Amino acid sequence: QSALTQPASVSGSPGQSITISCTGTSSDVGGYNYVSWYQQHPGKAPKLMIYDVNNRPSGVSNRFSGSKSGNTASLTISDLQAEDEADYYCASYTRSSTRLFGPGTRVTVL
Amino acid sequence: EVQLVESGGGLVQPGGSLRLSCAASGFTFSSHGMNWVRQAPGKGLEWVSYISSDTSTTYYADSVKGRFTISRDNAKNSLYLQMNSLRAEDTAVYYCVSVVVAATFENWGQGTLVTVAS
Repeated sequence: QSALTQPASVSGSPGQSITISCTGTSSDVGGYNYVSWYQQHPGKAPKLMIYDVNNRPSGVSNRFSGSKSGNTASLTISDLQAEDEADYYCASYTRSSTRLFGPGTRVTVL
Repeated sequence: EVQLVESGGGLVQPGGSLRLSCAASGFTFSSHGMNWVRQAPGKGLEWVSYISSDTSTTYYADSVKGRFTISRDNAKNSLYLQMNSLRAEDTAVYYCVSVVVAATFENWGQGTLVTVAS
């Protein structure tokens, strides 16, 4: 099973926008519109933030948005706030019907 | 309110076995695919296994294939993970997760810790 790649860390000041990338291959991210993003605070279970590349579940702030170009998906957090400080993971469906998570990105609000 | 409650974790010796359970409530369990996802201490998320709503289809990560078996009982709203030939690298919090479609992990339990050590 191939791996997804994410930056280890991203930081920004309150009010700024940041973008986290998730790069895979044509067998996963690039081959399907089944990319999702998860937020995890320390000691808590992950929370679904974006599904099917760019859809937000009800209750998730519209400051979170997703996109995809080729084999790379992205999560953008606009108007960065203190409570956004967390780990973020992407996930993708794969050609072999398995699922893959990225290694995670630590977001720090300066 | 959707609830997923895992149980069955604990300390087990290398080579041993353990069976995890997940009790589901607050949604139509029999209509959802289910997964196990794990997280080693201080590490990232790792997808472990998937089972379809009707139990006809299962998938496993290469790291557990041949050692772990996922199953479910829709009459009991329960999901299971039978783990055999456990290794130190299987030490993790194991989450029970419902899936809407493909890779949309919608609802998560709070997890159960499995520690493999002598």
